[in-house]
Amino acid sequence: AQTVTQSQPEMSVQEAETVTLSCTYDTSESNYYLFWYKQPPSRQMILVIRQEAYKQQNATENRFSVNFQKAAKSFSLKISDSQLGDTAMYFCAFMIGNAGKSTFGDGTTLTVKP
Amino acid sequence: SAVISQKPSRDICQRGTSLTIQCQVDSQVTMMFWYRQQPGQSLTLIATANQGSEATYESGFVIDKFPISRPNLTFSTLTVSNMSPEDSSIYLCSVMPGQAYEQYFGPGTRLTVT
Repeated sequence: AQTVTQSQPEMSVQEAETVTLSCTYDTSESNYYLFWYKQPPSRQMILVIRQEAYKQQNATENRFSVNFQKAAKSFSLKISDSQLGDTAMYFCAFMIGNAGKSTFGDGTTLTVKP
Repeated sequence: SAVISQKPSRDICQRGTSLTIQCQVDSQVTMMFWYRQQPGQSLTLIATANQGSEATYESGFVIDKFPISRPNLTFSTLTVSNMSPEDSSIYLCSVMPGQAYEQYFGPGTRLTVT
């Protein structure tokens, strides 16, 4: 079975600064995908960034980037130039191949302070 | 991408009754998923609902308690039967369109059982 671990239940960062959220996973599969999802308070969950396991290059989406360390089974999210709108719960998730269903970590609540 | 709507957005129900939650997608999708999320906590997959086949339930969830219908490629329902206060949660519908290898989530249904 796959497991996803987010070791930081809560984090805070000052506006405009950079923050990194940690995620580790465990799997014996070789074909998988990793995701970071954002869930703002009382709002819909949205996909932030996706990483294919077969790609060595780290994914980036504007201010969001990942550090994917396949051998270490680590998948951290870096948010640059943090904005107040980044305040949310962030979930790391894992999906095998095209199975569709994902395994989620317990989440990290990020607060961006003005 | 996919736009997902859920009805109702929230409800307060009496113990012992049943509630049916609807999930509507703006495009045809093969894979649909139902998750449960306690506020501020992670997501737990209830079942995968693929059109044309019986839903596949995860460990700890049974069809008698959570019957699912998937009459076509844009619609699904989840029924929470014989409810107890322990069923109070947020229920999320999710889809994986085509070969996107990423999931999109509905806004959720917040259920309170008294």
